[in-house]
Amino acid sequence: DAGITQSPRHKVTETGTPVTLRCHQTENHRYMYWYRQDPGHGLRLIHYSYGVKDTDKGEVSDGYSVSRSKTEDFLLTLESATSSQTSVYFCAISELDGYTFGSGTRLTVV
Amino acid sequence: GENVEQHPSTLSVQEGDSAVIKCTYSDSASNYFPWYKQELGKGPQLIIDIRSNVGEKKDQRIAVTLNKTAKHFSLHITETQPEDSAVYFCAVLTGTASKLTFGTGTRLQVTL
Repeated sequence: DAGITQSPRHKVTETGTPVTLRCHQTENHRYMYWYRQDPGHGLRLIHYSYGVKDTDKGEVSDGYSVSRSKTEDFLLTLESATSSQTSVYFCAISELDGYTFGSGTRLTVV
Repeated sequence: GENVEQHPSTLSVQEGDSAVIKCTYSDSASNYFPWYKQELGKGPQLIIDIRSNVGEKKDQRIAVTLNKTAKHFSLHITETQPEDSAVYFCAVLTGTASKLTFGTGTRLQVTL
């Protein structure tokens, strides 16, 4: 989607390894979010940010950490990947209420 | 926290028919209700939204209705076309930091 990019698009990693997913925006939006999408669960919020260095937990934050050192970048880190973290991860940006989503990162933990 | 239920989980309609997807929510303070369409391999895209001071909103073949008393809102698609086939998500704006809570999604299939 215009203004928001996620990298990588696909990744396969081994159990126990650290993984970092990147979300980059060019819209200068204040709010950024990380969601995971799993069958039967819809989209669930992992972490979100309301400004540089201002982050908070969502409903499924265990095993994940985030960082936002610049307005444009929001990083999601799996400190030690587990098979339960196999999922599609979406980043979203917002200024007030309308979200714009990235194209997603498909992560497989083997 | 907010709880959003979405029904049905799958919906198959013939081209030209109407489709209706319903969502209920729990937090009476919620005031913004968007709908997203997700095509295969892509991120969700906003298709229509409604705020709590409005009961209905239309945009060509799609409409959303909101009943704040009953805490439910619905997406209506008329004259469905094959390109309407996708997964649709409802969402509710919750609390501070503009956080959206999503329903579990409805897979709509429009058959010829």
